[in-house]
Amino acid sequence: GAGVSQTPSNKVTEKGKYVELRCDPISGHTALYWYRQSLGQGPEFLIYFQGTGAADDSGLPNDRFFAVRPEGSVSTLKIQRTERGDSAVYLCASSPTSGGFGVNTQYFGPGTRLTVL
Amino acid sequence: DAKTTQPPSMDCAEGRAANLPCNHSTISGNEYVYWYRQIHSQGPQYIIHGLKNNETNEMASLIITEDRKSSTLILPHATLRDTAVYYCIVRVVNFGNEKLTFGTGTRLTIIP
Repeated sequence: GAGVSQTPSNKVTEKGKYVELRCDPISGHTALYWYRQSLGQGPEFLIYFQGTGAADDSGLPNDRFFAVRPEGSVSTLKIQRTERGDSAVYLCASSPTSGGFGVNTQYFGPGTRLTVL
Repeated sequence: DAKTTQPPSMDCAEGRAANLPCNHSTISGNEYVYWYRQIHSQGPQYIIHGLKNNETNEMASLIITEDRKSSTLILPHATLRDTAVYYCIVRVVNFGNEKLTFGTGTRLTIIP
């Protein structure tokens, strides 16, 4: 079946602009995660959704970053007034369940490479 | 979640077993050991996880020491497609603690 898909695969924008990044999780997965990865570093957690609600948004760096998942499936990560430091690969992952013991395997998409000029 | 320590890079000859170590000396009793890998320009891929016992699946084996302070991921017959960054992650698995905390991992290069 289809995996996690993310669009666009690449996004180039100018400093100060607004961008939206989209994630389509695996069908039926209730949990959805956003991470971002800077060059040479491991992915860094941003936010986690269980269904439509954000269960943990502790990784969002500031209030310019916001994410939604209105119908419990597709999610959009929104970045306002982009800065050059926001340049990174933004990864989305989904999971068939939340919690439990050792069952929370996250399946990642290919990422969106965001470049802020 | 407990901190992990991995060597920054390793080489392995094609066809040989690749053994990737991970130290997690501060691991708690309810924390699992997870391994993911990331092939260039792709998202991370789940490999295996375990709590106490050794685990094996179609991709790899996970050996956890008796005191649980370290573990080794074993790729039994490495191929060129196994070249990737491998991340060892230790985390509590319970409702409300779902994030993965990645370090910088081990860059494994398979040599032809």
